[in-house]
Amino acid sequence: DVKVTQSSRYLVKRTGEKVFLECVQDMDHENMFWYRQDPGLGLRLIYFSYDVKMKEKGDIPEGYSVSREKKERFSLILESASTNQTSMYLCASSFARGTSGQDTQYFGPGTRLTVL
Amino acid sequence: KQEVTQIPAALSVPEGENLVLNCSFTDSAIYNLQWFRQDPGKGLTSLLLIQSSQREQTSGRLNASLDKSSGRSTLYIAASQPGDSATYLCAVSNAGGTSYGKLTFGQGTILTVHP
Repeated sequence: DVKVTQSSRYLVKRTGEKVFLECVQDMDHENMFWYRQDPGLGLRLIYFSYDVKMKEKGDIPEGYSVSREKKERFSLILESASTNQTSMYLCASSFARGTSGQDTQYFGPGTRLTVL
Repeated sequence: KQEVTQIPAALSVPEGENLVLNCSFTDSAIYNLQWFRQDPGKGLTSLLLIQSSQREQTSGRLNASLDKSSGRSTLYIAASQPGDSATYLCAVSNAGGTSYGKLTFGQGTILTVHP
């Protein structure tokens, strides 16, 4: 079974702190994604990575950065946390398109981040 | 820009009913469409994936259809059970080599199946 794990289920941080959210997948997937989910706004893509050290901005990258030093690990960084970054953060991974005939995304359990 | 809409936003049915969830998308140049389930406070679980060349996929009591030309998909749940209660999300992956499998999600349908 594919497993995508996230470092924390719940996290409480203060405004201005630097926050690291970690995601690890064990299926040798090329693609990894970070989303945030908010009531009324649905899931929105923050950043994604299609290979080690490669990253692309999603729809809402402002205030975030990412790091992918190893294939299995994709980190989301909030450089200076703000209250409007309070949200549910979801990580996902998938094979590169064409690798397996389908690119189902597999999701982690999510991290509920509260910024005070 | 791709936009995905799901109707209805919420649905409450008695156990045993057959039901249909709807999803529409604005750009028909898709690579595939996926249906996910999300339980409260949890991540998403993939239910069905339909490639753009396919018309439908089935898994157990679930059947998803795709009409790419009209920009529509439906998720049919047969003989609903209380354990089916969850939010159901539709997501499309656009065609094109640079999309890298990025998904555009609908807002979801909150399904409640009561005994």
